[in-house]
Amino acid sequence: SQQGEEDPQALSIQEGENATMNCSYKTSINNLQWYRQNSGRGLVHLILIRSNEREKHSGRLRVTLDTSKKSSSLLITASRAADTASYFCATAQNTDKLIFGTGTRLQVFP
Amino acid sequence: GAGVSQSPSNKVTEKGKDVELRCDPISGHTALYWYRQSLGQGLEFLIYFQGNSAPDKSGLPSDRFSAERTGGSVSTLTIQRTQQEDSAVYLCASSLEGTLNQPQHFGDGTRLSIL
Repeated sequence: SQQGEEDPQALSIQEGENATMNCSYKTSINNLQWYRQNSGRGLVHLILIRSNEREKHSGRLRVTLDTSKKSSSLLITASRAADTASYFCATAQNTDKLIFGTGTRLQVFP
Repeated sequence: GAGVSQSPSNKVTEKGKDVELRCDPISGHTALYWYRQSLGQGLEFLIYFQGNSAPDKSGLPSDRFSAERTGGSVSTLTIQRTQQEDSAVYLCASSLEGTLNQPQHFGDGTRLSIL
């Protein structure tokens, strides 16, 4: 069963705009991770945020985590056409496996 | 490069045949994971290896699915008597340790089509 649900399912924006994707989950977690998947490829790890962290940055990426609301958001600033991909959140509970959400398909138009 | 390698990249087979999918993890990574991804969907966890042992097989959909890992490295996922609903992309990932705070590194998957 899916732990995370991403919102929106699909997002289309122009280059230069910011893209925000949200993830909600159901049970307590140890950490939450975001991954990107280009069409026909495997997933690439973007960022990991632990349950005791509230915000994390990596380049043009900003991730927030609200454990009280069981939600996270991924913000991509100044988007580029190369950011076009599907983005997945994944939660780690108290086991060694990740539970992935259903993904957000991002399309950035040049 | 030294990433996770999966083979074959594509496999087309007839219903009822057995298939074997291979994963070469990053050297030194002790944890290895198999996932299944149906078209336009998220990832479905299948099985996890720590070294050669599989502490969590809970995601295997049926007894037609099995996996093994030898030498703490290469893993094979075997599907016996394939069915059309087995058609999907099978992704393998590895991580440095099977701990909660390690990112997973993915291969590009095997796209399996059952006719």
